[in-house]
Amino acid sequence: EAGVTQSPTHLIKTRGQQATLRCSPISGHTSVYWYQQALGLGLQFLLWYDEGEERNRGNFPPRFSGRQFPNYSSELNVNALELEDSALYLCASSFMWGGSYNEQFFGPGTRLTVL
Amino acid sequence: QKEVEQNSGPLSVPEGAIASLNCTYSDRGSQSFFWYRQYSGKSPELIMFIYSNGDKEDGRFTAQLNKASQYVSQLLIRDSQPSDSATYLCAPLTEGKSTFGDGTTLTVKP
Repeated sequence: EAGVTQSPTHLIKTRGQQATLRCSPISGHTSVYWYQQALGLGLQFLLWYDEGEERNRGNFPPRFSGRQFPNYSSELNVNALELEDSALYLCASSFMWGGSYNEQFFGPGTRLTVL
Repeated sequence: QKEVEQNSGPLSVPEGAIASLNCTYSDRGSQSFFWYRQYSGKSPELIMFIYSNGDKEDGRFTAQLNKASQYVSQLLIRDSQPSDSATYLCAPLTEGKSTFGDGTTLTVKP
């Protein structure tokens, strides 16, 4: 069974540009989570999508946005890039069963570098 | 105070010893609890999850959860191997949102 996939692997942008990151969840998973991990730091929760809707959002400015498509894949958009946006962006997928949320499985990540 | 607290380490143990990693969290609404392992430059991988008070064992790994007072979870790694050297992240799960600790870096010395 294929795991969570993310594209691109690496992305280099300059300040002020926009970045688009993509994620495909494990087949059968309806939830997609996005996290930011700056070098040497922990995971910071960005966004949670489930069944096509944004369910929760972390403490990030509005220039971080995303969406989930009918096939449950997801896109993270970062507008007006700043140098401190340079980080590893991780996507995770999960599913709900019996009214409970289950473990999250992570993709390999997209390394975003802002110059 | 952070929602999820972990000792940053680094924690160093000799090969074959028991490594003990602790995690404290304040969200009493947490439905379940996860432990992830992250090797340098890689994404986190789930190693243990526990839903209720008590212990859960899986091979060399044991996760303990105590919701009685301040929520505490402990991860024990028996017979530690050099391949266990990584950063271990804990994450309580509440209504679909995981809040991760900053992780404890473990080094197992041969």
